[in-house]
Amino acid sequence: QVQLQESGPGLVKPSQTLSLTCTVSGDSISSDDFFWNWIRQPAGKGPEWIGHIYASGTTNYNPSLKSRVTISKDTSKNRFSLELHSVTAADTAVYYCARGLASGYDWANWFDPWGQGTLVTVSS
Amino acid sequence: DIQMTQSPSSLSASVGDRVTITCQATQNIGVYLNWYRQKPGKAPDLLIYDASNLETGVPLRFSGSGSGTHFTFTITSLQPEDIATYYCQQYDNLPTFGGGTKVQI
Repeated sequence: QVQLQESGPGLVKPSQTLSLTCTVSGDSISSDDFFWNWIRQPAGKGPEWIGHIYASGTTNYNPSLKSRVTISKDTSKNRFSLELHSVTAADTAVYYCARGLASGYDWANWFDPWGQGTLVTVSS
Repeated sequence: DIQMTQSPSSLSASVGDRVTITCQATQNIGVYLNWYRQKPGKAPDLLIYDASNLETGVPLRFSGSGSGTHFTFTITSLQPEDIATYYCQQYDNLPTFGGGTKVQI
C-alpha cells in the first residue's frame, strides 16, 4: 500500500529555514493522478494546507505562506521536499506530507494517505 | 479563503449513541466537502469524500450529507474506537479545514 514518511530536524531557530523531506513508497510521484502535498497542524488546531507539487514539477502554494515556501521533488529517489524560510514561533506545528487526488482543479480533491507527521519546533 | 465552522467543538456521548457534527461554509461549495478522523497522536484518515461518499473500508455507521453551505456528519452507533477529533475540509477553493470536533465517551 502507499506510504509516506516525513524526515527532518525537529528544532529550528527563528529566522532560519525549515527543511523537510517526504519519502514515498508504493506509488510514484511521477503519477499524473496525484498532487504531493505538505500540510501542517499547530497543536490543538485544524490542519492548514501549505502547498503541493505535481508530476510535471508545477507547484501551488497557500497564498498566506507563498512568499516563504518552496516545494521541490527528486523523482529518482521518489521523494519531495518542503522549505519554509524565515520561520518564527508561529510556524511550530506537526508537519505532514500527503497524497492528494488530482481531478483537473488547481488543488487536490482530498488527502489520502498522510504520513505519520513530524513535530517541528521553532525556538532559540 | 473559505472558512469552515464546525459545531460543536467537543461532545461527550455514550457507546451506542447517535452522534451528529455539523460543518458550515462561508460560501457555496456544492458537495466539495470531505470528513476526516484523527485519533490522538495520529494523522487524519479520510472517511467521507464529496459530502456523502464513504471511503473504501470505512464502517457503515459513518455517514455524511449536505450541500451548499451546510453539511452533517453522523455516527449512528458510537463505538469506543471512534474516540477522535473529526475535521471537515472543503476544496471548492484552496483547501481549508474546520477547527475540529473532539468526540469523547
